[in-house]
Amino acid sequence: AAGVIQSPRHLIKEKRETATLKCYPIPRHDTVYWYQQGPGQDPQFLISFYEKMQSDKGSIPDRFSAQQFSDYHSELNMSSLELGDSALYFCASSGLAGGSSYEQYFGPGTRLTVT
Amino acid sequence: AQKITQTQPGMFVQEKEAVTLDCTYDTSDPSYGLFWYKQPSSGEMIFLIYQGSYDQQNATEGRYSLNFQKARKSANLVISASQLGDSAMYFCAMRESRNSGYALNFGKGTSLLVTP
Repeated sequence: AAGVIQSPRHLIKEKRETATLKCYPIPRHDTVYWYQQGPGQDPQFLISFYEKMQSDKGSIPDRFSAQQFSDYHSELNMSSLELGDSALYFCASSGLAGGSSYEQYFGPGTRLTVT
Repeated sequence: AQKITQTQPGMFVQEKEAVTLDCTYDTSDPSYGLFWYKQPSSGEMIFLIYQGSYDQQNATEGRYSLNFQKARKSANLVISASQLGDSAMYFCAMRESRNSGYALNFGKGTSLLVTP
């Protein structure tokens, strides 16, 4: 079965640079979530989109922005990167296709390292 | 305030034994869902099992079962017949109903080590 795809899998950036992370949800899933997991931490919710509209916002810094496109893929844009942004960034998707609308399936994550 | 509490930072279990990972939650929302995820050292987050607050029966998925005690606000994960490949970090998470969006709140996790 198709899973959530994230790219790139690994990214190394310097302080003050920008980064763009991409997420391709499971086909026919209409909701995308972004989570940030710092080293040794639990995942923290950043932002979510339902049918291409922002549906909820968590602890997302103002330096970050995100959107969901017409094909349902989503991008997380991160500017003025700081050392503390080094983390594993997960995208998850949910939808009625193939199961409960509540089950969130996670992608493999993008490991961002800021030097 | 922490909405999901996992009191066991680390657990050991011998292969083929059963193990229970604890999870308690706090919500005033009558409609909510509880999830368990497995995170191996490779980093991916693997969905294991889901329990809705209105579900009458405890959820089961293969060797995983969820011991849901609504009055006590607990949702413990039971892994039967542990295997070496079960060694991983396990996260309990809760979804509350909202006007829009169903973001998950995670607990701090329990690190499980299965020994031969």
